[in-house]
Amino acid sequence: EIVMTQSPATLSVSPGERATFSCRASQSISSNLAWYQQKPGQAPRLLIYHSSTRATGIPARFSGSGSGTEFTLTISSLQSEDFADYYCQQYNNWPPAQWTFGQGTKVEIK
Amino acid sequence: QVQLVQSGPEVKKPGASVNVSCRATGYSFTNYGINWVRQAPGQGLEWMGWISGYNGNTNYAQKLRGRVTMTTDTSTKTAYMELRSLTSDDTAFYYCARGPRSVVLPAPSDYWGQGTLVTVSS
Repeated sequence: EIVMTQSPATLSVSPGERATFSCRASQSISSNLAWYQQKPGQAPRLLIYHSSTRATGIPARFSGSGSGTEFTLTISSLQSEDFADYYCQQYNNWPPAQWTFGQGTKVEIK
Repeated sequence: QVQLVQSGPEVKKPGASVNVSCRATGYSFTNYGINWVRQAPGQGLEWMGWISGYNGNTNYAQKLRGRVTMTTDTSTKTAYMELRSLTSDDTAFYYCARGPRSVVLPAPSDYWGQGTLVTVSS
């Protein structure tokens, strides 16, 4: 099973600042990586897929990069609605297709 | 628009089984699959498995094999997830999410259901 490791666990950022956090895969997953945002009491929302492609309706301040085993999500200027939990997920194909999540990064107000 | 509507909350006793449904609207059900993801209170997301809406092929998380069964009913565009031999560790929100049609065509979960709380308690 591919293990996904996110860092840091918690990120304290002031509104308007840049936030960058990481996701590392235990083996190469090419660019088969997605980022999700989850707010309290809500289902996750797809932000980024294929490592760097923004999902429909996602603002341009969200950007993703990386391939292989190292990936990064950047929020260029944090807005109040961006304080949430962020998860990466690998969806590498066969075999074996076990599409594991990272443990999450919490972005909180500094 | 694409929507996934899940069944309501469940309370089960240890050792029992639970069945959660997920009805899809707004897209061609057989062109996609359904992922199931759960989240224990205050914890992260855990992928449980996937089922194809096209041919019913499944792929389960190794941790849950033998306890979970995923099925679909294409006539009603509904996916089902049954989890057996429940323990308190299975208390969680259970989400369905639209995924790829085939396991060899990797794709993320782009639309999610609202979640179903399953509580396991004696």
